[in-house]
Amino acid sequence: QKEVEQNSGPLSVPEGAIASLNCTYSDRGSQSFFWYRQYSGKSPELIMSIYSNGDKEDGRFTAQLNKASQYVSLLIRDSQPSDSATYLCAVNMRGGSNYKLTFGKGTLLTVNP
Amino acid sequence: NAGVTQTPKFQVLKTGQSMTLQCAQDMNHNSMYWYRQDPGMGLRLIYYSASEGTTDKGEVPNGYNVSRLNKREFSLRLESAAPSQTSVYFCASSESRSQGSYEQYFGPGTRLTVT
Repeated sequence: QKEVEQNSGPLSVPEGAIASLNCTYSDRGSQSFFWYRQYSGKSPELIMSIYSNGDKEDGRFTAQLNKASQYVSLLIRDSQPSDSATYLCAVNMRGGSNYKLTFGKGTLLTVNP
Repeated sequence: NAGVTQTPKFQVLKTGQSMTLQCAQDMNHNSMYWYRQDPGMGLRLIYYSASEGTTDKGEVPNGYNVSRLNKREFSLRLESAAPSQTSVYFCASSESRSQGSYEQYFGPGTRLTVT
């Protein structure tokens, strides 16, 4: 069974702190990794994609990938109350003749003013 | 560009009724997907269409059928709704490549209740 694991949280951080969200995956052959943000009652919104080992920065967000450890993380610097949401990790995994995204169950982040 | 649109936004069905959820994208994407999201279960793939003219089962296809009407539109049909199909349904689309999809973009969702 190919899986993506996330800590369900809730993860609570004070405003201005760094929030660190983690994800592990089971398929060593995975090549594409994504982070989505989902506000309550809304649809998932893509915020980061990463394909190579190392760090990728976009504004206050940094995605980190370590394929050897099968680990991907998302750092949110200077966290704001508006960052409070569920963060979904998604990994492209091969299933049969096609690749499909497998989602983790998400980590609920709360940023306290 | 509207991105991915879904209709209806909300629906209440009685057990045994049928309905079709509609999805359309204006991003010229080849691949389209239907997911359901339930509390504690995360997003689960129901069916997908890697390209126009093809459809494949995902993780939870039982009780559903799909039609890729053209490159823009991908519909999901419940032939005989059951309470277990109460969920939030999301359509998504993406470009495709040889080793999987590019980023997937989601529609606003349909909240379905089956009584």
